[in-house]
Amino acid sequence: GAVVSQHPSRVICKSGTSVKIECRSLDFQATTMFWYRQFPKKSLMLMATSNEGSKATYEQGVEKDKFLINHASLTLSTLTVTSAHPEDSSFYICSARAGAGGPADTQYFGPGTRLTVL
Amino acid sequence: GEDVEQSLFLSVREGDSSVINCTYTDSSSTYLYWYKQEPGAGLQLLTYIFSNMDMKQDQRLTVLLNKKDKHLSLRIADTQTGDSAIYFCAESYGQNFVFGPGTRLSVLP
Repeated sequence: GAVVSQHPSRVICKSGTSVKIECRSLDFQATTMFWYRQFPKKSLMLMATSNEGSKATYEQGVEKDKFLINHASLTLSTLTVTSAHPEDSSFYICSARAGAGGPADTQYFGPGTRLTVL
Repeated sequence: GEDVEQSLFLSVREGDSSVINCTYTDSSSTYLYWYKQEPGAGLQLLTYIFSNMDMKQDQRLTVLLNKKDKHLSLRIADTQTGDSAIYFCAESYGQNFVFGPGTRLSVLP
C-alpha cells in the first residue's frame, strides 16, 4: 500500500522558536497533501490543503503566517510552525492523495508528529 | 454543513463481534472510509466502500452501507485485543474529505 512518512516523529522546542515538519509520500506521487491537527481525544482538524506548486488553502481560523506550508514537489510537503507557543503543542498529521476520484482519492496518512512547546 | 457522526465509545469482550456505526449527511458522497488509529500513531486505512455498494467484506471486516439512511457500519468479527484503537469513518465527495469524531474501541479480556 501507499506509504507516507513524517519527520520528526517527536519534537520538543522552546517557545518562540520555529519547527519544521516534513511529510513525504514514499511510493507514489501526491498531487495533494493535507495537514491536520489532532487534540487529545479529539478528531482531526483539517488545517490546510496543498497542491504541488501552488499556495496552500487554509481552513478558516488557521493562521497562514504562523503555519507555513510548502509543497515543493509531488512527494514532499513541509509544515513550519513559526514562533511556536505552548498552545501550539499538539499532534500534527499529514496525509497525501494520489489523484482525484475513485480509490485514488483515498488519503494515506503519515504516522504523525508530536510537537511539545515548552 | 457536512457532518459525520459516530458514537464515541464501544467496549466488547475478546472474541465477540464489534459493530461501529457512523452516520453522514451528504448524499453526494462518492466513497466512505474506515480508518484505524492506534495510540500515538497516524491513521491507517482499513477499508473503503463505493457509495453504490451495499456491503464489502475483507477478512474479519464487514462494511455495510445504507445509502437511504446515510448509515455506515464496520463490523469486526472475533475482536482481538490488538483491535483496540480509535476508528474514524470518513466521507469523500469531490475535493472534500470529512471525518467523524472517532469511536474508541476497548477490547476486554
